[in-house]
Amino acid sequence: EIVMTQSPATLSVSPGERATLSCRASQSIDRNLAWYQQKPGQAPRLLIYGPSTRATGIPARFSVSGSGTDFTLTISSLQSEDFALYYCQQYSTWPYTFGQGTKLEIK
Amino acid sequence: QVHLQESGPGLVKPSETLSLSCAVSGASISSYYWTWIRQSPGKGLEWIGHIYSDGSPQYNPSLRSRVSLSIDTSKYQFSLRLTSVTAADTAVYYCASLRGYAYGFSHWGQGALVTVSS
Repeated sequence: EIVMTQSPATLSVSPGERATLSCRASQSIDRNLAWYQQKPGQAPRLLIYGPSTRATGIPARFSVSGSGTDFTLTISSLQSEDFALYYCQQYSTWPYTFGQGTKLEIK
Repeated sequence: QVHLQESGPGLVKPSETLSLSCAVSGASISSYYWTWIRQSPGKGLEWIGHIYSDGSPQYNPSLRSRVSLSIDTSKYQFSLRLTSVTAADTAVYYCASLRGYAYGFSHWGQGALVTVSS
């Protein structure tokens, strides 16, 4: 199976600043990647999938880049509601697999 | 608005069978791949498998020998059975929807905590 590795495990950023989260696949997945946000006690929420498709209601400050094995989720200007856990997930090959997550915390 | 709701026992004894159902509303049950995902502190998020409205399933190979998915289109619900459970199967189990193979999991249930313990 494809192993997804996220870094860093924890990222401390001040509100209003930019956050950059990384995700690496153990083999090429083209652009078959999705990103999720999870807050305590809630289910994950789909943010972005594919080259750059944002899910319904996701603001434009969330963007992604990368293809093959290395990907980045960028949040351009952090709002208070953005501090949460973030997961990447590949859907290139079964079984679908998730990264272990990056915790985005307030600096 | 798609709404998913898990239901089932929150406590299962070791070696027994875990059974959960997911009720679907706000969407055609023929329009998605209906998915089960679990989350535990030790293993993070793990895709269990999905099933389409025609009943064709895909399973995670790591669970294939113990898992079974089914769907009842008339009742707008789909179900998970996991046999011979151990403490390692303790997790929050989510049902989710997948529009197609080039999409992410767009809608999730609130999750059902299942504890395996005697």
